Amino acid sequence: EIVLTQSPGTLSLSPGERATLSCRASQSVSSSYLAWYQQKPGQAPRLLIYGASSRATGIPDRFSGSGSGTDFTLTISRLEPEDFAVYYCQQFGSSSTFGPGTKVDIK
Amino acid sequence: QVQLQESGPGLVKPSETLSLTCAVSGYSISNGYYWGWIRQPPGKGLEWIGSIYHSGSTYYNPSLKSRVTISVDTSKNQFSLKLSSVTAADTAVYYCARGGWLVPNYFDYWGQGTLVTVSS
Repeated sequence: EIVLTQSPGTLSLSPGERATLSCRASQSVSSSYLAWYQQKPGQAPRLLIYGASSRATGIPDRFSGSGSGTDFTLTISRLEPEDFAVYYCQQFGSSSTFGPGTKVDIK
Repeated sequence: QVQLQESGPGLVKPSETLSLTCAVSGYSISNGYYWGWIRQPPGKGLEWIGSIYHSGSTYYNPSLKSRVTISVDTSKNQFSLKLSSVTAADTAVYYCARGGWLVPNYFDYWGQGTLVTVSS
């Protein structure tokens, strides 16, 4: 089973700042099968990025994804108030796993 | 617009079987895509349970495989989850979602989730 590790666990930033979230896999993941989600309290996760770098429908361009192999990154170029949430990465190889999440909270 | 809605008992006794159904609207399951179940214990992260294709082909989380059955009913445009021998550790919000065109992959449409508590 591929284990995903996300860092940092919590990121405390101010609106307007840049957020860089990391997702590291225990073995190589095909970029086609790496996704990022945003989850707010009491809500279902929302797909942000699929295929490591493609934005899902309706996702603002301040969200971008990059990476390959075992190291992937989600970047939020300028944080808006609605971006404070928990972010998860997910992979699908022979089975699927999610990372433990990074909480982005207001500094 | 694709919409998914979970339904089923909110309380299940230990050792019994948890059963949930996901009704899909706005898209015919028969047209393709994998359909999956994901759960989230209170205050914790997401765990993939398994995914099914309209043909019935399934992928399961290896850690749950011995207790999980996912099935599809294309005539009712819905799919279902059964998790046997439940314990308190199975208490979670259970989500259904659409995931992957020809192979299981990311989940682009999600249900709102339903809380299932395992308790006597």
